Amino acid sequence: DSGVTQTPKHLITATGQRVTLRCSPRSGDLSVYWYQQSLDQGLQFLIQYYNGEERAKGNILERFSAQQFPDLHSELNLSSLELGDSALYFCASSVEWGSNYGYTFGSGTRLTVV
Amino acid sequence: GENVEQHPSTLSVQEGDSAVIKCTYSDSASNYFPWYKQELGKRPQLIIDIRSNVGEKKDQRIAVTLNKTAKHFSLHITETQPEDSAVYFCARGHAGNMLTFGGGTRLMVKP
Repeated sequence: DSGVTQTPKHLITATGQRVTLRCSPRSGDLSVYWYQQSLDQGLQFLIQYYNGEERAKGNILERFSAQQFPDLHSELNLSSLELGDSALYFCASSVEWGSNYGYTFGSGTRLTVV
Repeated sequence: GENVEQHPSTLSVQEGDSAVIKCTYSDSASNYFPWYKQELGKRPQLIIDIRSNVGEKKDQRIAVTLNKTAKHFSLHITETQPEDSAVYFCARGHAGNMLTFGGGTRLMVKP
């Protein structure tokens, strides 16, 4: 157990639907990062939050949005889902805004859009 | 952050041989270089990291070397075992900046 909790572990939904992925960071970590990993692909950075505020955005589609709540957990919302959104979605956390101490990844949510 | 180039994208070795994965970067402010191992369907896990004030770090069968002048760093795995088969990601970063990941290397260790 890495200390980063992601739910649900698996999600199967139909095209056009909306889903919410949840992440609880490791205790004491203020930064949360979301990554998308399609089959046999690398880690595509989506978005970062630090202590409730958005800090950086990557290649995140307009159909996707995220937020970090006062208790530091984060949610990634995916709407108008398409088949190509099927992927593993990882959340990672770190103690500070930057990268000085590395990231701890959660176990991921496997999203299948049918 | 700026890109990290990682090579090779796939690497196949015989059990017991060594494996080397190399990453290059361009941001001279980078001072932190972690390596992650991702087994099939699992989360990336930090296996070793190095900071810019040292040139080499070892942990049992794995080692990382850093050449700040040439802006490249490498992961060395000796006496490879089948359980070393995974995707390995390098990354670079510095305080106040996010980690930038390489594209990954799929290592296959043949028994």
